[in-house]
Amino acid sequence: QVQLVESGGGLVKPGGSLRLSCAASGFTFSDYYMSWIRQAPGKGLEWVSYISTNEYTIYYADSVKGRFTISRDNAKNSLYLQMDSLRAEDTAVYYCARGDIDYWGQGTLVTVSS
Amino acid sequence: QSVLTQTPSVSAAPGQTVTISCSGSSSNIGKNSVSWYQQIPGTAPKLLIYDNNKRPSGIPDRFSGSKSGTSATLGITGLQTGDEADYYCGTWDNSLSGWVFGGGTKLTVL
Repeated sequence: QVQLVESGGGLVKPGGSLRLSCAASGFTFSDYYMSWIRQAPGKGLEWVSYISTNEYTIYYADSVKGRFTISRDNAKNSLYLQMDSLRAEDTAVYYCARGDIDYWGQGTLVTVSS
Repeated sequence: QSVLTQTPSVSAAPGQTVTISCSGSSSNIGKNSVSWYQQIPGTAPKLLIYDNNKRPSGIPDRFSGSKSGTSATLGITGLQTGDEADYYCGTWDNSLSGWVFGGGTKLTVL
């Protein structure tokens, strides 16, 4: 069965960095584009970034452009999100999602606070 | 401010029917398929409807979806207490080159 497992969240100070990972299993990872989506506490869903199967096409939400970097390793069935220059407003649960957002991971909490 | 517009909350009694609307524009719903997600507090969203009106395996036919122009609707019949959750619509936006979601609708089953 399809499984997406995020890791790497935690508490970080404003201006700091964090790298999230998403381990995929149960499907051919290299066949699917992937996305990161976040949800601030008590708020709705916000798409963060998209990456195509071969990394040739990458998109970012304006709110994270220039600060976050999405990447993937198809040999390791893994998706990543490098988050730099973190701000308080980046505090959220971060989910990885497959393809047309049909499967979601369980999420990993990122808290940006001094 | 979400790109897609949903009514913040809706309520109904067990056994009744509710509809949840999602309004967008020509760059998103007008050109792309809509998905609907159910999120029970403290858990990840789950896909309920894809391609406007298709149900993934395991989703009961009490849940249905439709799309017309730049709007979409989720219908739930025979409401159960277990249906209490937040419901989100989502689609791709060609102008923004990204996924967009509604602000969510909180369903209360009285």
